[in-house]
Amino acid sequence: QSALTQPPSASGSPGQSVTISCTGTSSDVGGYNYVSWYQQHPGKAPKLMIYEVSKRPSGVPDRFSGSKSGNTASLTVSGLQAEDEADYCCSSYARSNNLVFGGGTKLTVL
Amino acid sequence: QVQLVQSGAEVKKPGASVKVSCKASGYIFTSYAMHWVRQAPGQRLEWMGWINAGNGYTKYSQKFQGRVTITRDTPATTAYMELSSLRSEDTAVYYCARGFRVGAISAVGYWGQGTLVTVSS
Repeated sequence: QSALTQPPSASGSPGQSVTISCTGTSSDVGGYNYVSWYQQHPGKAPKLMIYEVSKRPSGVPDRFSGSKSGNTASLTVSGLQAEDEADYCCSSYARSNNLVFGGGTKLTVL
Repeated sequence: QVQLVQSGAEVKKPGASVKVSCKASGYIFTSYAMHWVRQAPGQRLEWMGWINAGNGYTKYSQKFQGRVTITRDTPATTAYMELSSLRSEDTAVYYCARGFRVGAISAVGYWGQGTLVTVSS
């Protein structure tokens, strides 16, 4: 399985919104509503931010939202805050009980 | 609370094998999938495989098929990942990570602290 495609970097100023894309194929992102997003700060384990395309686990601020269109999923962070600066990685269920991750996007808060 | 505690850092020579353990607590071990994910220095997360802790079913990434074995010991609520024929490119932090919801494998909700495996001659 090939990795999902994400832009290597994204940035925004405090208070702004930024959207990160995650592109796969009809065998993963496009075929199932099982896209997740993870936030990872340097030296830390990832944290689940979004699951099943647009659902937020308890405790995740509603500034984080997810969506999907065709083979591309998106994570939007609204009202950017300094602590949002981190790496963001998507994942998707893929055919035959596989999981695939994206390449990761480094989000910089300017 | 859910806790996943992994074994300590390992240094291995090329060609050797490594076995990493993941002791789970705070939930019903057999009700959730356990994934193994690795991250080489400065690189992306890479999914290796998962095990149904209830019935022992496993699924491995094609990339690691034949080199990785994931097992579990249900009385000990511990999962294991063994990687063989190690090469320098296998130097990475290895994470165990529990499925977010009962019976689901598509999202990972809880992560271990990671185990650094260094492969060097």
